Amino acid sequence: SSDLTQPPSVSVSPGQTARITCSGDALAKQHGYWYQQKPGQAPVLVIYKDDERPSGIPERFSGSGSGTTATLTISGVQAEDEADYYCQAGHSSGTFVVFGGGTKLTVL
Amino acid sequence: QVHLVESGGGVVQPGRSLRLSCAASGFTFSRHGMHWVRQAPGKGLEWVAHIWSDGNSKNYADSVKGRFTISRDNSKNTVHLQMNSLRVEDTAVYYCAREQRIVGLTNWLDPWGQGTRVTVSS
Repeated sequence: SSDLTQPPSVSVSPGQTARITCSGDALAKQHGYWYQQKPGQAPVLVIYKDDERPSGIPERFSGSGSGTTATLTISGVQAEDEADYYCQAGHSSGTFVVFGGGTKLTVL
Repeated sequence: QVHLVESGGGVVQPGRSLRLSCAASGFTFSRHGMHWVRQAPGKGLEWVAHIWSDGNSKNYADSVKGRFTISRDNSKNTVHLQMNSLRVEDTAVYYCAREQRIVGLTNWLDPWGQGTRVTVSS
C-alpha cells in the first residue's frame, strides 16, 4: 500500500480539464511533486514544489496543494496527455521519497 | 544535457545476484544524491534506495534492506545497485534518478534514466 492515495483512473474528453488528486499526511508538511509516465517510458517530472513547472512542460499543466492534498490540473487536455501520473511527497532528510499509487489518465 | 543510462539488467534465478549500474553525464555528479526506483510489471513506482552525494549515507526500502546495496563512484560518475538473494518479487524495471534537493526541506527526482529490466525466474 502507498502512503499517498490517488484515484486509479480519470477520464476526460479532449479540451476538457483533468484534475488528479493525491492525499496523504506526508503532504501536510511536504511539497508535492508530479510525474508523467507514458507506456514504455521513464517517468518525467511535470510539477515540483506543489505548483512549479519545469522548463519544457506545457503551460496547461499546473499544480496546487492544500493541507494533506495535492492536485495536478491539466487544462485543455490533449490526446498526448494520456499517461499514468504519479504524485510524490518529499522528505526533509532527503533520504527517501514516497509515491502515490498512480492514476491512469484516459483521453476519451 | 543531463543524461542517465542504466545497465546490468537481465534474467536471473531466485537466490542469485545481479549488479546494476547507472552512468551519469551532463551535470556535476558529486553534488547530487542518487536514487533507485523500481516498477514491477503493471504496477506503480516503488522507491528502492538512496545514497548521499558523498556516498557516506545510504537508505533502503524495507523490502530490500539487507539484500541490496547502493554505492557510487564519483570519479566515474556512476552509481550501482548490488542485488543479492534475489526473489521473484524483485522482478521490475529499475530506474536510477538524480536527486534534486533543498537541504533540510524537501527533495524530488529529476531526471530519470530509461530503466533496465530485471527478471527473477527459475
